[in-house]
Amino acid sequence: DVKVTQSSRYLVKRTGEKVFLECVQDMDHENMFWYRQDPGLGLRLIYFSYDVKMKEKGDIPEGYSVSREKKERFSLILESASTNQTSMYLCASSTAGGGGYTFGSGTRLTVV
Amino acid sequence: QQPVQSPQAVILREGEDAVINCSSSKALYSVHWYRQKHGEAPVFLMILLKGGEQKGHEKISASFNEKKQQSSLYLTASQLSYSGTYFCGTAATGRRALTFGSGTRLQVQP
Repeated sequence: DVKVTQSSRYLVKRTGEKVFLECVQDMDHENMFWYRQDPGLGLRLIYFSYDVKMKEKGDIPEGYSVSREKKERFSLILESASTNQTSMYLCASSTAGGGGYTFGSGTRLTVV
Repeated sequence: QQPVQSPQAVILREGEDAVINCSSSKALYSVHWYRQKHGEAPVFLMILLKGGEQKGHEKISASFNEKKQQSSLYLTASQLSYSGTYFCGTAATGRRALTFGSGTRLQVQP
């Protein structure tokens, strides 16, 4: 069964910490995405990558960075976690042709 | 700018029909539909490409009016398993990633 795997289901971090969220896909997809999901706001795009070492900012990139050193892995980095970054983070992947997204199960991050 | 979904929430009895609408202010070349059950990841339902096509998936179908930048998701003879939050994701011309609406919560009751 094809998969997008996010390393942690729940994470609690302190304000100011550097946080790494990891995502791995086994479908050889070119595109990978990071969204955050908040009640009433739906899914908002943070960053995406369409190739190894390539990245583009989404709609809410402030306070985040990403890394894609290998095709199957896409990392989201919170440089200095803040309480307003408490959220559900969803990773997704898709083919280069723009097909449907496959989502990971999400990481619920709480910053205290 | 996020597409606008309506209604925000709907409650149905089993066997009833529902329509969920998605409207964008941008020129679109595709619209995706996803369903998310509580505590789970969103699951891809279907994609509609520029050309005004209508697609079907069991008793769930959708249409895309590219002139109006609108898409509608049709759920007929609803089942309990249809409960969840439905999201449309729009791909604007020249943009590689989807922009999602805020979701429509659908609850089907026995």
